Amino acid sequence: ETGVTQSPTHLIKTRGQQVTLRCSSQSGHNTVSWYQQALGQGPQFIFQYYREEENGRGNFPPRFSGLQFPNYSSELNVNALELDDSALYLCASSLGQNEKLFFGSGTQLSVL
Amino acid sequence: AQSVTQLGSHVSVSEGALVLLRCNYSSSVPPYLFWYVQYPNQGLQLLLKYTSAATLVKGINGFEAEFKKSETSFHLTKPSAHMSDAAEYFCAVTKRDNQGGKLIFGQGTELSVKP
Repeated sequence: ETGVTQSPTHLIKTRGQQVTLRCSSQSGHNTVSWYQQALGQGPQFIFQYYREEENGRGNFPPRFSGLQFPNYSSELNVNALELDDSALYLCASSLGQNEKLFFGSGTQLSVL
Repeated sequence: AQSVTQLGSHVSVSEGALVLLRCNYSSSVPPYLFWYVQYPNQGLQLLLKYTSAATLVKGINGFEAEFKKSETSFHLTKPSAHMSDAAEYFCAVTKRDNQGGKLIFGQGTELSVKP
């Protein structure tokens, strides 16, 4: 158990819809990173939040957006869903920007 | 640009045999290197990391990896495989002056352990 919880665990959406995924960080962690893991692939960095500010972004379009709240929990929002957005979305929290990542179990998103 | 290449998407060993999972990296600056393990329906767990101290890095569960700059490699080994080692393994890289959360992962190697 890493103390990082993600909800929901599974989600089915249709193309064009919007989705919000949630992540509760481990206690005391002020940094959260989001990754997308397509089937059979390694995780790809989406973005990182540090103390409620976006602190780096991977090669993902603007329809992928995020928030970090004062309690350091986080949301990942995806607008205008596409079939290729089907993946496991992983959240990881850490004590700081350069510290060890603790991953949640992920949210499996299926876009039909 | 940084990247990692994991050689072999599937590796199968017998219980008690040597485990060798290969990772080669590409980086224009000295990197930090990591190995993560992912069990079914779980997130990733850090096995070990190289941050420019000793080139031979020991991790959890009996795993170790050696950083070889001349070969741009960071292969993962374990002397004797256990059934519980069956999982997906990912090699990852990040820049030393970059934040630790911005990892670049390889495609993964699925390890099977036969009784």
